[in-house]
Amino acid sequence: ILNVEQSPQSLHVQEGDSTNFTCSFPSSNFYALHWYRWETAKSPEALFVMTLNGDEKKKGRISATLNTKEGYSYLYIKGSQPEDSATYLCAFSRLEYGNKLVFGAGTILRVKS
Amino acid sequence: NAGVTQTPKFQVLKTGQSMTLQCAQDMNHNSMYWYRQDPGMGLRLIYYSASEGTTDKGEVPNGYNVSRLNKREFSLRLESAAPSQTSVYFCASSGPRDFDTEAFFGQGTRLTVV
Repeated sequence: ILNVEQSPQSLHVQEGDSTNFTCSFPSSNFYALHWYRWETAKSPEALFVMTLNGDEKKKGRISATLNTKEGYSYLYIKGSQPEDSATYLCAFSRLEYGNKLVFGAGTILRVKS
Repeated sequence: NAGVTQTPKFQVLKTGQSMTLQCAQDMNHNSMYWYRQDPGMGLRLIYYSASEGTTDKGEVPNGYNVSRLNKREFSLRLESAAPSQTSVYFCASSGPRDFDTEAFFGQGTRLTVV
C-alpha cells in the first residue's frame, strides 16, 4: 500500500492571496505524480502529470514542482480567486505497479472574496 | 465523445442485497479504476485493471468484485451490501500510454446501504 500524504488538510484564504500545498510520497521506485482539481458535485479533473525529478508545470496561475529524490511535490496558486475553491488531490504511482494511482486525502481550499 | 460513463447515478440498497455498478469508456484507454470517496479520506482505490482481462486489488477491495470483460467496460459488483459500503463510487480510466497520462473520471454513483 502506497502512502500519499497531503497538507494542509484545509485552507481558507482571501481573494488575491497566493497559497501552496504539499504532497508527500514514497521516494523509491517513483513512476508519476498527478495533481487533480475537484469541485463540489463534480468529478476530479487533471491539472498536471509529472514524471521527472525537478519537473515544473504551469497552467495559468497554478504551477507545480516535483522532487522525486525527497518525495514531495508543491502546488502553487498565485492570486487566488473564489473560483479556485475546490479540493486539490495528488496521486502517486510506483514503478512496479505501473499506472495504478493512489490518491492522498486532498487539501480543501476556500477563497473568500 | 462521452468519456467515462457510469451507471446508475444513485442507488439505495438494503443490507444483503447485491448490485453491479457499470462503467464504460470510449477513449481507447488501457487502464481503468474503481475508487470510493468517503468524507475526509479522499479517493481510495478499490480495484484496478491495467488491460482487458487483468485486475488487481487496491487499498480497500474487501466486499467487492470486478470484471473487465473488454477494453471499454469495467464493472464493480457488491455481492452482499453492507452499511459500511455507503459511499460515492467513481470509475476512472487512463491511457493509451501507461506512463504519464492523466485519469478521466465518471460522474460518480452515490450508493446508500440501509
